Amino acid sequence: DTAVSQTPKYLVTQMGNDKSIKCEQNLGHDTMYWYKQDSKKFLKIMFSYNNKELIINETVPNRFSPKSPDKAHLNLHINSLELGDSAVYFCASSQESVARGFGTDTQYFGPGTRLTVL
Amino acid sequence: QKEVEQNSGPLSVPEGAIASLNCTYSDRGSQSFFWYRQYSGKSPELIMFIYSNGDKEDGRFTAQLNKASQYVSLLIRDSQPSDSATYLCAVRQGGADGLTFGKGTHLIIQP
Repeated sequence: DTAVSQTPKYLVTQMGNDKSIKCEQNLGHDTMYWYKQDSKKFLKIMFSYNNKELIINETVPNRFSPKSPDKAHLNLHINSLELGDSAVYFCASSQESVARGFGTDTQYFGPGTRLTVL
Repeated sequence: QKEVEQNSGPLSVPEGAIASLNCTYSDRGSQSFFWYRQYSGKSPELIMFIYSNGDKEDGRFTAQLNKASQYVSLLIRDSQPSDSATYLCAVRQGGADGLTFGKGTHLIIQP
């Protein structure tokens, strides 16, 4: 059974297009995340959602809009794609709750989506 | 600005030796510390986490934390060629905080 899954695995598109990446977790976790790993392999948090509510929104262009229809899903929509958006995007989840306030829980990562903008 | 620093390597270690990976972090409010392993083209995979000062051992892996020095390390005993990967140090403050990653150390185990 796949714990955290993402679709598609590869996405090749032209500049200016709009695209979405989907993420689903079957672990029953409360919190989901989007990370971006650039060409230098640096992994950086983009967004965090807890029970469908946005918790963290790091310095990310507003062309990126996460959507969480339920706590098992967190999708990432990107408008007006730019060359610099080319990267691997990882979804992750963990059994956190904001009330607990102590972030020791493990984050489990999905397989990643390699986005290439031409 | 939260920062996590790692030596990017490559760090080359003979098979069977101990590999020592180091990490420093800037945010004194960091509560928990993680080591992830990432093979080329794959997603990060958790190796260990630690949140108390001292050592924590799990099989061939030992994580060490010194909050006063803001320093975390990972020791890999009896290194195997399959340990060759990029090792990512990550820290977080708490709650639903995301992980702040270092840029990773590329480890090569020489047969």
